[in-house]
Amino acid sequence: QKEVEQNSGPLSVPEGAIASLNCTYSDRVSQSFFWYRQYSGKSPELIMSIYSNGDKEDGRFTAQLNKASQYVSLLIRDSQPSDSATYLCAVNVQAGTALIFGKGTTLSVSS
Amino acid sequence: GAGVSQSPSNKVTEKGKDVELRCDPISGHTALYWYRQRLGQGLEFLIYFQGNSAPDKSGLPSDRFSAERTGESVSTLTIQRTQQEDSAVYLCASSVGGATDTQYFGPGTRLTVL
Repeated sequence: QKEVEQNSGPLSVPEGAIASLNCTYSDRVSQSFFWYRQYSGKSPELIMSIYSNGDKEDGRFTAQLNKASQYVSLLIRDSQPSDSATYLCAVNVQAGTALIFGKGTTLSVSS
Repeated sequence: GAGVSQSPSNKVTEKGKDVELRCDPISGHTALYWYRQRLGQGLEFLIYFQGNSAPDKSGLPSDRFSAERTGESVSTLTIQRTQQEDSAVYLCASSVGGATDTQYFGPGTRLTVL
């Protein structure tokens, strides 16, 4: 059974702090990794994708991938109340198959 | 062009009835996915269409669920003899090529089975 695990939270951080969201996956041969943000009552939207080990930065967001540890994370710098949402980690095990989503981590940023 | 569209946005039905949910992917996207999201839960994969290949139906929870796609266009998810546990938001997504590409989600159909 291929699994993607996330802490459900809620993760609470003050405005301006760094939020760190973590995800582990069970299948070592997984190839592609995605972070989606989902506001309450809305559909998911892509934040970051990462395919190789290391860090990938996009504005206030940094995705980190460590395939040896089967671990992918998302850092949000200078967190804002508008970042409050559920963050979904998704993993693609092999080409031609659908993504496997974690259950999501709820982030709450207080002003 | 426009994003992924889904209809209806809300559907209330009685237990035992059949329902059809529609998804219009982004034009030119060859891959289309259906997911189910129960209240407070993550996304549950249902079915994946990729071009003219046989669909991946491995996520369909029972034989009451089926889906079709006409070429690289519209898809319909059908749930027969609905049960209360089918109540959820049904999300459709599409991507340019395969599953490693970014998936763009539609707004979802909220299904309530009374």
